[in-house]
Amino acid sequence: DVKVTQSSRYLVKRTGEKVFLECVQDMDHENMFWYRQDPGLGLRLIYFSYDVKMKEKGDIPEGYSVSREKKERFSLILESASTNQTSMYLCASSLLGKAGELFFGEGSRLTVL
Amino acid sequence: AQSVTQLGSHVSVSEGALVLLRCNYSSSVPPYLFWYVQYPNQGLQLLLKYTSAATLVKGINGFEAEFKKSETSFHLTKPSAHMSDAAEYFCAMDSSYKLIFGSGTRLLVRP
Repeated sequence: DVKVTQSSRYLVKRTGEKVFLECVQDMDHENMFWYRQDPGLGLRLIYFSYDVKMKEKGDIPEGYSVSREKKERFSLILESASTNQTSMYLCASSLLGKAGELFFGEGSRLTVL
Repeated sequence: AQSVTQLGSHVSVSEGALVLLRCNYSSSVPPYLFWYVQYPNQGLQLLLKYTSAATLVKGINGFEAEFKKSETSFHLTKPSAHMSDAAEYFCAMDSSYKLIFGSGTRLLVRP
């Protein structure tokens, strides 16, 4: 069964902490994405990557960075977590040329105190 | 600017009733359009997609959607709701190799 796996379902962090959210896909997909989901706002794209070591800013990249050292792994980094980054974070992947056909992980719910 | 608008953050229907979830898009050219479903505590799952081959698109679990260029709409329908359809539904539009999502509609199904 093909999968996108996010390392943590629930995290609680303190303001100012560095936070790593890990995502691994086993489908050999070129594209990987990080979204945040907030009630009433839908999904907003933070960063995406279409190849190893490549990254592109999405609509809300401020306060975030990403890393893609291997094709199957895409990490989201919050250098200094703030309370307004409390959210659900969703990782997704897709084949090159099929960016609309996303496979999602189950999400990581981050609470920043 | 390109955007996706979903009318109604919550829709409530009785089991067995018609489901209609509305989606309108704004784009200078006809886009590819998608519906995704999110069941509680899960990620999103692709329900169906429009890629210009046919205006009426059938998806999983008995859902379908019709692309209407004149109305810039892509509404999602199902003839008869099941309790298992209770979830949040997202309409999305393909834009420069990424998706723009609507704000979502939560479907409630009453027994």
